[in-house]
Amino acid sequence: KQEVTQIPAALSVPEGENLVLNCSFTDSAIYNLQWFRQDPGKGLTSLLLIQSSQREQTSGRLNASLDKSSGRSTLYIAASQPGDSATYLCAVKGDNNDMRFGVGTRLTVKP
Amino acid sequence: DAGVIQSPRHEVTEMGQEVTLRCKPISGHNSLFWYRQTMMRGLELLIYFNNNVPIDDSGMPEDRFSAKMPNASFSTLKIQPSEPRDSAVYFCASRAAGPYNEQFFGPGTRLTVL
Repeated sequence: KQEVTQIPAALSVPEGENLVLNCSFTDSAIYNLQWFRQDPGKGLTSLLLIQSSQREQTSGRLNASLDKSSGRSTLYIAASQPGDSATYLCAVKGDNNDMRFGVGTRLTVKP
Repeated sequence: DAGVIQSPRHEVTEMGQEVTLRCKPISGHNSLFWYRQTMMRGLELLIYFNNNVPIDDSGMPEDRFSAKMPNASFSTLKIQPSEPRDSAVYFCASRAAGPYNEQFFGPGTRLTVL
């Protein structure tokens, strides 16, 4: 059974800092990996989707990488802003259409 | 498109009552997913449908939970009878055909069972 782990569980940084969130998964047989953002009391917003054949995806200040063989993904956030404060979740999709989620990293960016 | 629509957004009920959560997927999407999120267990897949047909309901916790998708634009998740431990946020998500596409989530229904 696929297990998804996110480290750290919580992170607090000053505004302007670059940061990296980590996601690891136990079964490398995945279709894709998706990073989401969740604000308190809200639903999930898709940030980036990386297919299993891809190494990275970029959107604005966000860059997500995927190393499928080692079961790892990172989400890099450049020049962090207070508005980036949220919980970030990664999810992997296997061949049975099942998406497995990590419990998330709670990010706080201090002004 | 309005995105995935869920109703109600909040539901407070008493133990033993029937609860029905509703979801309207994004038009044209053929896969629909129901998730439950709690502090203790995070986000868990309960059931998903492809072309209105339930494919995998192994995540449904008990027989008290049931889900239906009578047509491509509507799905329900029912809990009968509800219990306090069912209190959670329930999310619906949809996805276009094909395993490589993104899932899009609704805003969730926050259920509190007293």
